[in-house]
Amino acid sequence: GEDVEQSLFLSVREGDSSVINCTYTDSSSTYLYWYKQEPGAGLQLLTYIFSNMDMKQDQRLTVLLNKKDKHLSLRIADTQTGDSAIYFCAERMDSSYKLIFGSGTRLLVRP
Amino acid sequence: DAGITQSPRHKVTETGTPVTLRCHQTENHRYMYWYRQDPGHGLRLIHYSYGVKDTDKGEVSDGYSVSRSKTEDFLLTLESATSSQTSVYFCAINFAPDNEQFFGPGTRLTVL
Repeated sequence: GEDVEQSLFLSVREGDSSVINCTYTDSSSTYLYWYKQEPGAGLQLLTYIFSNMDMKQDQRLTVLLNKKDKHLSLRIADTQTGDSAIYFCAERMDSSYKLIFGSGTRLLVRP
Repeated sequence: DAGITQSPRHKVTETGTPVTLRCHQTENHRYMYWYRQDPGHGLRLIHYSYGVKDTDKGEVSDGYSVSRSKTEDFLLTLESATSSQTSVYFCAINFAPDNEQFFGPGTRLTVL
């Protein structure tokens, strides 16, 4: 079946690292994505990872993929107040490139 | 900016009225999508298109229809709006071959 799960809320102190976790169920997914949504705004693509990779790093962002456990994580280093937002993970269904989204993790960065 | 616009950006309508939302892209991307976003549900796919006049249903397609008569426009129609269709609607396009999916700014629809 198709289901993506995320924890609802994460609070961190400014300057610390944030780790947002996601689990998915469809082992045939080839791409997994992270999106950021700020209040009242649309979705901003942060990064994505192909399923044959274990890790992808892009500046402050590190994505880890454990295909065996169907677990995806997004680590934000040196978290800033501007990182406060909702973060969505999504898996791509190859037959149509459509995305299945998790319900989002709200990240709050405390000064 | 991925060249995606949505119109209108906000709409308030009454139950039973027809509503059409428009998604417009400035590049010739083949795949276009309509999602709705509701609290606690993330984004859910309504319909998608893989070319002119080629569309298919997503997981929450009941009560919605779509049309794509030209590459750049993908229309979402609520034939008879209901209060359960109050939501934020996002259009997206798929950038092949990089496999990035970009979203429009959204349309906030309120059905009274």
